[in-house]
Amino acid sequence: EVQLVESGGGLVQPGRSLTLSCAASGFTFDDYAMHWVRQAPGKGLEWVSAINWNSRIIGYADSVKGRFTISRDNAKNSLFLQMNSLTPEDTALYYCAKESTLTMIVVGYFDYWGQGTLVTVSS
Amino acid sequence: EIVLKQSPGTLSLSPGERGTLSCRASQIVSSSYLAWYKHKPGQAPRLLIYGASRRATGTPDRFSGSGSGTDFSLTISRLEPEDFAVYYCQQYGSSPYTFGQGTKLEIK
Repeated sequence: EVQLVESGGGLVQPGRSLTLSCAASGFTFDDYAMHWVRQAPGKGLEWVSAINWNSRIIGYADSVKGRFTISRDNAKNSLFLQMNSLTPEDTALYYCAKESTLTMIVVGYFDYWGQGTLVTVSS
Repeated sequence: EIVLKQSPGTLSLSPGERGTLSCRASQIVSSSYLAWYKHKPGQAPRLLIYGASRRATGTPDRFSGSGSGTDFSLTISRLEPEDFAVYYCQQYGSSPYTFGQGTKLEIK
């Protein structure tokens, strides 16, 4: 059974940093690209970032480019999102999502999602 | 960036009825790279349709997707109680991969 378990969320002050983690199991992690998607309170879904299997293809939404860094550790079946210079607009439930297609690149749609970890940016 | 607009914002129907949700893109979605997700509060989103019309594993056949270019739709032929949720379309033809704002399907 595919499982994605996010952690690392919490309350953080504006301008500070936070790192999210996603522990994956139930599939061959290094066969798939992985993504972060977020949902602000009362809002819809927003794609944040993607990384392919070997970390050579990485993409970001404009809203986080230059502030967030996605990475993965295939030996530990883990995905990360380092978030710097956080603003209240980054307040959201952050989901880790698995790429649906077994491919060396990033295709961009998701067949499994975690339950999310909540990040609240407030003073 | 491709902007997706979903309509209606809220759809009120009864179990057993047919529901049609619309998703319109601001630019052509290449290769019909459009997906639909179902999202219930407190749960992870669930992939229903990809490639505009291909059902994902486990998607009941009462769900069907159609469309191409800039206009897409999701039809649920006979609504079941578990179908009432928020539905999002998402394009993955070009980065950034964008979502529509969602259609809430509620029980009438």
